[in-house]
Amino acid sequence: QSVLTQPPSASGTPGQRVTISCSGSSSNIGSNTVNWYQQLPETAPKLLIYSNIQRPSGVPDRFSGSKSGTSASLAISGLQSEDEADYYCAAWDDSLNGWVFGGGTKLTVL
Amino acid sequence: EVQLVESGGGLVQPGRSLRLSCAASGFIFDDYAMHWVRQAPGKGLEWVSGISWNSGSIDYADSVKGRFTISRDNAKNSLYLQMNSLRAEDMALYYCAKGRAPAATGDAAFDIWGQGTMVTVSS
Repeated sequence: QSVLTQPPSASGTPGQRVTISCSGSSSNIGSNTVNWYQQLPETAPKLLIYSNIQRPSGVPDRFSGSKSGTSASLAISGLQSEDEADYYCAAWDDSLNGWVFGGGTKLTVL
Repeated sequence: EVQLVESGGGLVQPGRSLRLSCAASGFIFDDYAMHWVRQAPGKGLEWVSGISWNSGSIDYADSVKGRFTISRDNAKNSLYLQMNSLRAEDMALYYCAKGRAPAATGDAAFDIWGQGTMVTVSS
């Protein structure tokens, strides 16, 4: 059971907009920023969003992040087939004194 | 090119030890915190341990506390993970990851990841 809760799956058709939620608590998302990682099949994770809303250089602006209270969301607009991957949220947890991840959401592009 | 290359994984019996290494290149190693993150086969990501830029701050996941030891050698641009008393549940692909800040805690994401080294625990 992961500390951060994500839906196990999400799907959309090319061109659609999809969102992935991440729910936590006051000790993690409620008091620290959220980061999102994309893991394409058989590859290492890649940083997609940091500090709730920031995109690293090279990440398309189709990807956006938001946070409100103890929850966060990742939105992907103009969905493309290459977006098919696992997506993980993560945050520092002040109570556990460690980083916590969501269980991951498998995104399928139909 | 910014790169992290892990090594040291392999097959080990339960209760035995293994030491993982991570060689960093392409960035100023001693400016940043470093982490180990693992992924069991078919499962999600689990943070294992993090170490600040000067080794002054070290944290572990409860699942490995007392058994694993993280360390770094800034002169060699290298990160290590000494794993003792290995269990079946430690079997995973172990990734080395660079933090975006000198501190291993708080708001600094993991911006560079290696390709991982597989640890198999089995008799």
